[in-house]
Amino acid sequence: EIVLTQSPGTLSLSPGQRATLSCRASQTVSNNFLAWYQQKPGQAPRLLISGASSRATGIADRFSGSGSETDFTLTISRLEPEDFAVYHCQQYVSSPWTFGQGTKVEIK
Amino acid sequence: EVQLVESGGGSVQPGRSLRLSCAASGFTFDDYAMFWVRQTPGKGLEWVSGISWNSNTIGYADSVRGRFTISRDNAKNSLYLQMNSLTAEDTALYYCAKAAGSGYHFPLFDYWGQGTLVTVSS
Repeated sequence: EIVLTQSPGTLSLSPGQRATLSCRASQTVSNNFLAWYQQKPGQAPRLLISGASSRATGIADRFSGSGSETDFTLTISRLEPEDFAVYHCQQYVSSPWTFGQGTKVEIK
Repeated sequence: EVQLVESGGGSVQPGRSLRLSCAASGFTFDDYAMFWVRQTPGKGLEWVSGISWNSNTIGYADSVRGRFTISRDNAKNSLYLQMNSLTAEDTALYYCAKAAGSGYHFPLFDYWGQGTLVTVSS
């Protein structure tokens, strides 16, 4: 099973700042089959990034994903008020399909 | 507009059963694999089960295998999860999620329902 470890657990930032979130895998995620989801309170997760770096339809270009093998990063270039949420990474290369524990981006 | 609407959650005693349903609309249901994912405050998001577009390929997490059964009815645009022998560890918000492709082996979830809450307690 591929274990995904996200860090930090909580990121306290101000609007306009840059957010850098990490997702580390216990094994290589082949083909960069790594996705990022955003989840706001009381809402379902929303797909942001697939294939480690491809933005989903309608996702603002301030969101970018990078990385390969075992180390992946989600960057939000300039935080907007609506970006304060929990972010989850997920690997879809091997079963069981697993998620990280989430990083909460909160307003400082 | 893609819509996934779960139902069937509730509060049950340990050992009992529940059947979750997910009504899909806004896309060609039988073109896509479908999945169930659950969420708890303590364990985060956990994949539960998935089914290919034609029901030929099905998979379960170890934690539910032998107790849960996934199925779909393409004529009714519906996904189901029969949950038997429920335990307190099954308490969670259960999401129905659409895969981006038809196959079970590509569980990239591009749309999610709002979830249905299952509480297992005596």
